[in-house]
Amino acid sequence: EPEVTQTPSHQVTQMGQEVILRCVPISNHLYFYWYRQILGQKVEFLVSFYNNEISEKSEIFDDQFSVERPDGSNFTLKIRSTKLEDSAMYFCASRTGGGNSPLHFGNGTRLTVT
Amino acid sequence: AQRVTQPEKLLSVFKGAPVELKCNYSYSGSPELFWYVQYSRQRLQLLLRHISRESIKGFTADLNKGETSFHLKKPFAQEEDSAMYYCALMFSGGYNKLIFGAGTRLAVHP
Repeated sequence: EPEVTQTPSHQVTQMGQEVILRCVPISNHLYFYWYRQILGQKVEFLVSFYNNEISEKSEIFDDQFSVERPDGSNFTLKIRSTKLEDSAMYFCASRTGGGNSPLHFGNGTRLTVT
Repeated sequence: AQRVTQPEKLLSVFKGAPVELKCNYSYSGSPELFWYVQYSRQRLQLLLRHISRESIKGFTADLNKGETSFHLKKPFAQEEDSAMYYCALMFSGGYNKLIFGAGTRLAVHP
């Protein structure tokens, strides 16, 4: 069964540095998402992406965040200047375009900002 | 406002006991509800969706619009059911994001 893949599994970075989290969605999926989960808290929606543009973003997704689909397979989340509070698990998800099709999640990237 | 509530952080049962993980939602439209499961160090996996009305790994969930609930049930818990369980609400139409409850950790003891 095809899966969403995310790399790296763990990223450690210093405060103020830029990070790029990478995702390869399932190949025939059309909608892409990023979620995050701060340790001990709920899974929170960050952004959705469709047809090469952001379709919706949450209040969390401020100017330091950006997403990109640079080619036909990758979907990236960039954090320009990381803060300590950005430390979290970041999950990528994708789904087909059909109706209320479910989201399929990757294994996540654990981001640690020191 | 749209909200998903899972009131229990931890549910601890013995093997063979019945399990009910509670989920309540708040949404003015027509809800699409899901249960996701996360086993230790693994991805969020779709367990059930209300529209399919199926049973997966012995789990069932019924949407009760009157009580705005979508509780997850299993008559006889197994040790391998130990995991985090997340109830999630999808908005109809648009770009169909999910919003999640806080999750319930199910611990099944031998």
